[in-house]
Amino acid sequence: DADVTQTPRNRITKTGKRIMLECSQTKGHDRMYWYRQDPGLGLRLIYYSFDVKDINKGEISDGYSVSRQAQAKFSLSLESAIPNQTALYFCATSAARGFQETQYFGPGTRLLVL
Amino acid sequence: GENVEQHPSTLSVQEGDSAVIKCTYSDSASNYFPWYKQELGKRPQLIIDIRSNVGEKKDQRIAVTLNKTAKHFSLHITETQPEDSAVYFCAASMIGNQFYFGTGTSLTVIP
Repeated sequence: DADVTQTPRNRITKTGKRIMLECSQTKGHDRMYWYRQDPGLGLRLIYYSFDVKDINKGEISDGYSVSRQAQAKFSLSLESAIPNQTALYFCATSAARGFQETQYFGPGTRLLVL
Repeated sequence: GENVEQHPSTLSVQEGDSAVIKCTYSDSASNYFPWYKQELGKRPQLIIDIRSNVGEKKDQRIAVTLNKTAKHFSLHITETQPEDSAVYFCAASMIGNQFYFGTGTSLTVIP
């Protein structure tokens, strides 16, 4: 779905480096999410935001931080990357109105921490 | 919080056969159950969902059933085709709240 974009698509970094993953959407959705995907572990929620002033921790927030710069932008930061943060990261968005619960995913960012 | 278990983790079927993937959830307050399909190298995409006021929902060759009493729901794919090969994720949530995903099922349809 081209309405949700992520940059970069691939990133290699070294242990201890700070990196930022960015997500932008043109769907006009209020809600945005960051997940990580690891083989055999499914999609695990890192952080989510229901509007610009709302930030919530997910089940695996340790070692991560987020910033909701605008309705359309939600960034994920790794303050000091470590190898076990190597994963595929997805941003997702959803509407806040009525029963429109579908989450729309971005294309993913593949991160390798050496 | 909610805990979603998904089985099997891998599933191989012959083309034309049916495939069934099962999920259980722990929180009886969950009332929305989507299924996502993720093709190799692609993003997860919603294929079907069901709300707790409905027991079954169909969309062409796919269907989802929900048993609220037992707290489990299943994805059924009939007349499988090679393009059905993908990883499938179930999820549970209370409408308006975060999703809890299962660990995924890798489905292979053998031509």
